[in-house]
Amino acid sequence: NAGVTQTPKFRILKIGQSMTLQCAQDMNHNYMYWYRQDPGMGLKLIYYSVGAGITDKGEVPNGYNVSRSTTEDFPLRLELAAPSQTSVYFCASSYRGAYEQYFGPGTRLTVT
Amino acid sequence: EDKVVQSPLSLVVHEGDTVTLNCSYEVTNFRSLLWYKQEKKAPTFLFMLTSSGIEKKSGRLSSILDKKELFSILNITATQTGDSAVYLCAVLQGGSEKLVFGKGTKLTVNP
Repeated sequence: NAGVTQTPKFRILKIGQSMTLQCAQDMNHNYMYWYRQDPGMGLKLIYYSVGAGITDKGEVPNGYNVSRSTTEDFPLRLELAAPSQTSVYFCASSYRGAYEQYFGPGTRLTVT
Repeated sequence: EDKVVQSPLSLVVHEGDTVTLNCSYEVTNFRSLLWYKQEKKAPTFLFMLTSSGIEKKSGRLSSILDKKELFSILNITATQTGDSAVYLCAVLQGGSEKLVFGKGTKLTVNP
C-alpha cells in the first residue's frame, strides 16, 4: 500500500493564480482531511469529508474548495492564490474517524 | 474560542534526560486528546487519551490526562537523539471530526 500520497511536493504560485493539490489514499478510508501548517504553528483544518460526495468546512476554509467524487481522491482547489496561503498542506485519511488519521508527506506551497 | 496551549514551545536537553511536555485545553464538548510526533514531514500518531488518570505507555513514552484540570502531559524518559521532533497535542470535540491542534513543542536532544 502506498498509504496517503500528495502531489506536488513543492509549488510556487504567483498571486492570483489557481491550482489543485492532489491527495489520494489506497486504504479504502472513508474519512479524509486537509490541513495547513504555518511556520511554528499547529495544524489547522481546512476541509474534511466523511465519504464520497460529502464534504464539510473546517476551521479555515476561506479561499479553498474541495470535492470528493471517489473514496480514493480528495483534491483541494485554491482559487486566486494569496500570499496568506503560503503554507505546508497536509492531507490525511482514516477509517473510523479523526483519531486515527494517517498523514501524507505534505505539499509546500509558496505564493509570491 | 476553543484553544489548545502547549508548553514549553521549545526545549533542549541532553541524551538520557527525562522530559515532560504539557498540553492544556479549553474546548467545548471534549471527547479525546491526542499526541503526535512530527519529525521532518508528516505527524505520526502517538497516543489517544479519553479517560482521566489512565496512563498510556509505549516504550519510553507515556502520557496521562486530567479532565478536571483540563491538561495532559507527555513524558519521555532516557531521551535519545531520535526523539528530536515537534510534539503536537490535539483535542477532538464530540460530535465532530475536527481536531484542534496546539502549536507544538520543539524538542531537541543533543548527544
